[in-house]
Amino acid sequence: DAKTTQPTSMDCAEGRAANLPCNHSTISGNEYVYWYRQIHSQGPQYIIHGLKNNETNEMASLIITEDRKSSTLILPHATLRDTAVYYCIVTQYSGAGSYQLTFGKGTKLSVIP
Amino acid sequence: DGGITQSPKYLFRKEGQNVTLSCEQNLNHDAMYWYRQDPGQGLRLIYYSQIVNDFQKGDIAEGYSVSREKKESFPLTVTSAQKNPTAFYLCASSIPLRGNEQFFGPGTRLTVL
Repeated sequence: DAKTTQPTSMDCAEGRAANLPCNHSTISGNEYVYWYRQIHSQGPQYIIHGLKNNETNEMASLIITEDRKSSTLILPHATLRDTAVYYCIVTQYSGAGSYQLTFGKGTKLSVIP
Repeated sequence: DGGITQSPKYLFRKEGQNVTLSCEQNLNHDAMYWYRQDPGQGLRLIYYSQIVNDFQKGDIAEGYSVSREKKESFPLTVTSAQKNPTAFYLCASSIPLRGNEQFFGPGTRLTVL
């Protein structure tokens, strides 16, 4: 799997957009970008994923650069409940419904009142 | 409610004892996974199973064993051969054609005394 680089920590004011960057310069053409988050002492939660195009769902937006070497997760209106560690993961679908996620240390996002 | 359950949430064992962690899912997912998380670190894959009666080693399988006799269940045994078993253990499952989203359980925190 391609490796990712994320900032160790970020702060965001409550109600503002949180923009979390991720570098994945060695990503290959068939590898997806996934984002998960983990609130303290809980299991990780899936947020969003994409291949080439920008994606949006009810939780967040994912912006992938044209060369696919980096991406940004956007939480449009951060709340205190969004305080968590956010993991950017690049992985390849391996068929039969399974694949491997390689979690780095992620970015600790602190939403400040 | 559908979901993944792990029990117990906290587990204490004496050094040298084997211990089995439970993971059950009623999501009808084919694939299941076990991860280990150490303080301040990301998750590392121990074992995964794509289908009943089949499983593969992940990145850190030494000292662990699993079974997959039923679709719903994927227990993990931490053996006495595991040198540093104290950790947070997370179980997950996934379904094909859903973007490979993995659903995680609440985790079991194992402490070996």
